[in-house]
Amino acid sequence: EIVLRQFPATLSLSPGERATLSCRASQSVSSHLAWYQQKPGQAPRLLIYDVSNRATGIPARFSGSGSGTDFTLTISSLEPEDFAIYYCQQRTNRLIFAFGPGTKVDIK
Amino acid sequence: EVQLVQSGAEVKKPGATVKISCKVSGHTFTDFYMHWVQQAPGKGLEWVGLIDPGDGETVYGEKFQGRVTISADTSVDIAYMELSSLRSEDTAMYYCATPGASGYDLDPFDHWGQGTLVTVSS
Repeated sequence: EIVLRQFPATLSLSPGERATLSCRASQSVSSHLAWYQQKPGQAPRLLIYDVSNRATGIPARFSGSGSGTDFTLTISSLEPEDFAIYYCQQRTNRLIFAFGPGTKVDIK
Repeated sequence: EVQLVQSGAEVKKPGATVKISCKVSGHTFTDFYMHWVQQAPGKGLEWVGLIDPGDGETVYGEKFQGRVTISADTSVDIAYMELSSLRSEDTAMYYCATPGASGYDLDPFDHWGQGTLVTVSS
């Protein structure tokens, strides 16, 4: 069973700052790594899929990178609407899926 | 535009069974897997399982194995998730989610329902 860890658990930053969120898998995983954003009272929203592809309508300030066991979501310059919880998600084998525990980005 | 519309909130007693639905419009229901995701109050996302509406194949997460049944009615483009032997820990928002916009049939989860709150209380 592959376990996803995310860190930090909470990231306190100011608007305009750069956010770097990490997702680490317990063993090497495929390139089917996705990131989701969730705001209070809302369903999650897909941001990034296949490690680095932005989903439809996602601004260019969001980018994804990584390989093997270590993956990163970067928000180049935080906008007020970016303060939310971010989850990574992996397909652990063909038909089993897992989410990381999430990173909360809050306003410093 | 792809839309997933879920059934309304449910309140159930411990030991009961709940069945919630997810109506799909805007794309071909049988072309894409449907997933269910649990989110307990104040907690993270947990994958419940999936169905391939095209052939009915299902896969369930280990935590839910034996208590969950996911099904699909292709005549009305609705997916269902049934959870039995309910306990207080099952109190959660349950989302249906499906790929589509990213060009794949299995994942990622491009489209999400609005969520169905299931409350288990005596």
